Amino acid sequence: QKEVEQNSGPLSVPEGAIASLNCTYSDRVSQSFFWYRQYSGKSPELIMSIYSNGDKEDGRFTAQLNKASQYVSLLIRDSQPSDSATYLCAVNSGNTPLVFGKGTRLSVIA
Amino acid sequence: KAGVTQTPRYLIKTRGQQVTLSCSPISGHRSVSWYQQTPGQGLQFLFEYFSETQRNKGNFPGRFSGRQFSNSRSEMNVSTLELGDSALYLCASSLTGTSASGNTIYFGEGSWLTVV
Repeated sequence: QKEVEQNSGPLSVPEGAIASLNCTYSDRVSQSFFWYRQYSGKSPELIMSIYSNGDKEDGRFTAQLNKASQYVSLLIRDSQPSDSATYLCAVNSGNTPLVFGKGTRLSVIA
Repeated sequence: KAGVTQTPRYLIKTRGQQVTLSCSPISGHRSVSWYQQTPGQGLQFLFEYFSETQRNKGNFPGRFSGRQFSNSRSEMNVSTLELGDSALYLCASSLTGTSASGNTIYFGEGSWLTVV
């Protein structure tokens, strides 16, 4: 059973701080990794995708991947109250559907 | 470019009834996946269709079924509804399907189903 684990939170950070969201996965052959943001009552929207070890930056967001440790993280710099949402980690292992974690709830306090 | 469209957005059904949900993918996308989202279980994969063929299926009972039409539109059906089927049902479309590494999926707004 392929699993993706996330701390459910809530993770509370002050406005302007760095929010760090973590995700571990069980399938060693996983190849593609995604972070989705989901606001309450809305559907998930894609924030970042990462496929290679290391960091990938997009604006205030940085995804970090360590395949040896089976670990992927998302950093949000200069956190804003509008970043308050649930962040879903999703992992793909080639010929299988995306497997999602249950999400981490982030609360950015103004 | 229009996104993924799901209908209906909200519905209430009675135990034992059946329900059909519809999804129109992004234009040009040939793969449609369905997910069930509940507070306790998170996002769980139901099935994936590509070019009218079911390519993957999740761990759900046979009461859950789906199909895809030649224009890539998809429907899912749940028969003999149970209280536990109350959930947000999300449709996602992608160009080539979730089975392709690196492929990105985009979600529709979802259909909120309440079974009473």
